[in-house]
Amino acid sequence: NAGVTQTPKFRILKIGQSMTLQCTQDMNHNYMYWYRQDPGMGLKLIYYSVGAGITDKGEVPNGYNVSRSTTEDFPLRLELAAPSQTSVYFCASSYSRALSTGELFFGEGSRLTVL
Amino acid sequence: KNEVEQSPQNLTAQEGEFITINCSYSVGISALHWLQQHPGGGIVSLFMLSSGKKKHGRLIATINIQEKHSSLHITASHPRDSAVYICAAQGQVQGAQKLVFGQGTRLTINP
Repeated sequence: NAGVTQTPKFRILKIGQSMTLQCTQDMNHNYMYWYRQDPGMGLKLIYYSVGAGITDKGEVPNGYNVSRSTTEDFPLRLELAAPSQTSVYFCASSYSRALSTGELFFGEGSRLTVL
Repeated sequence: KNEVEQSPQNLTAQEGEFITINCSYSVGISALHWLQQHPGGGIVSLFMLSSGKKKHGRLIATINIQEKHSSLHITASHPRDSAVYICAAQGQVQGAQKLVFGQGTRLTINP
């Protein structure tokens, strides 16, 4: 199993450009998450999904969009890139139920710089 | 006040020392995760626990639900243990499991 695969690993964007961070998992996990990690700060949840066709906002959703058309894929879209979106982005997945949770698996991270 | 607090924020020790990293949380939880982030940036799950103690090799994680406190211990520390260690509290919000992360503890083990 490849686990959680994120692409690209690095990207530089100009202000106002758009891009999509791709995330794929091959573990048949129902939960998928997108986090951002800023220097000296804890991971912040951007969006999450509890299954195909279901997504919901996290703590810091502004400026981002997601979709979950399949169990495997959970892309994160930045529509109009802003310098405040310069960060390291992590996709993660787990198999979780309402009263129990599974181990988290993370992608390797995507370092995004907006100039 | 953050919902999940870790201490210390930075820890430097000599190879072979016994290491303790603490995590306190203020939210009700269904599980507590310990994660390791290597200098290269990747994050791996070390433990997920909801009660008692778990051990994996030289790593031990404990949790006290009543006191809302968890500890990660490393015995016979080694330079390859140098990393950022992150605790995350998992609770149920609106029917879904959500995580709140601590800010991490940067551990440096000198040879």
